[in-house]
Amino acid sequence: AQTVTQSQPEMSVQEAETVTLSCTYDTSESDYYLFWYKQPPSRQMILVIRQEAYKQQNATENRFSVNFQKAAKSFSLKISDSQLGDAAMYFCAYRRGQGGADGLTFGKGTHLIIQP
Amino acid sequence: ETGVTQSPTHLIKTRGQQVTLRCSSQSGHNTVSWYQQALGQGPQFIFQYYREEENGRGNFPPRFSGLQFPNYSSELNVNALELDDSALYLCASSSYRDRVETQYFGPGTRLLVL
Repeated sequence: AQTVTQSQPEMSVQEAETVTLSCTYDTSESDYYLFWYKQPPSRQMILVIRQEAYKQQNATENRFSVNFQKAAKSFSLKISDSQLGDAAMYFCAYRRGQGGADGLTFGKGTHLIIQP
Repeated sequence: ETGVTQSPTHLIKTRGQQVTLRCSSQSGHNTVSWYQQALGQGPQFIFQYYREEENGRGNFPPRFSGLQFPNYSSELNVNALELDDSALYLCASSSYRDRVETQYFGPGTRLLVL
């Protein structure tokens, strides 16, 4: 069974600074996808960024980027120029590749605090 | 906003009762997944529906059941409610036409079982 581990229950960063959230996963599959979702107090889970395992290039979305280390099974999220609106729970998630209907496997989340 | 809607937003039930939660998919999506998120935890996969059939299930008992309708909306039914069923229930829609099949979530239904 796949597992996703987020070892940082809480992180704090000053506004405008850069922060990195860690995620490791365990799988025997070669075809899979990784995601970072953000869940603000409003509860709605919002997709931040996604990475296909077969792509060596790290995904980027504006201020958000990932460091995908396939051999180490590591998938960290870097947030640059942190903003107050970035404050939320951040969840790392894994999904098996095409043909797998077993949903997303989530980590326990990291609570990100932005200090003004 | 993702275009995925859920109803109701909150509800309170007592142990032993039955509950039905509803979800409307994002336009163009044909797959719906349901998740249970206990307080302070990440969501856990309950099941997935595609073309009105359940095609994947997590580690949840049969008293958790679902339906998907021709318009791709969906229901989650839970029978014989237990106190531990108190959680946020999230619905997510996706499309097999998207190679990555990214899931987009609704705002959730908060269920409290007394």
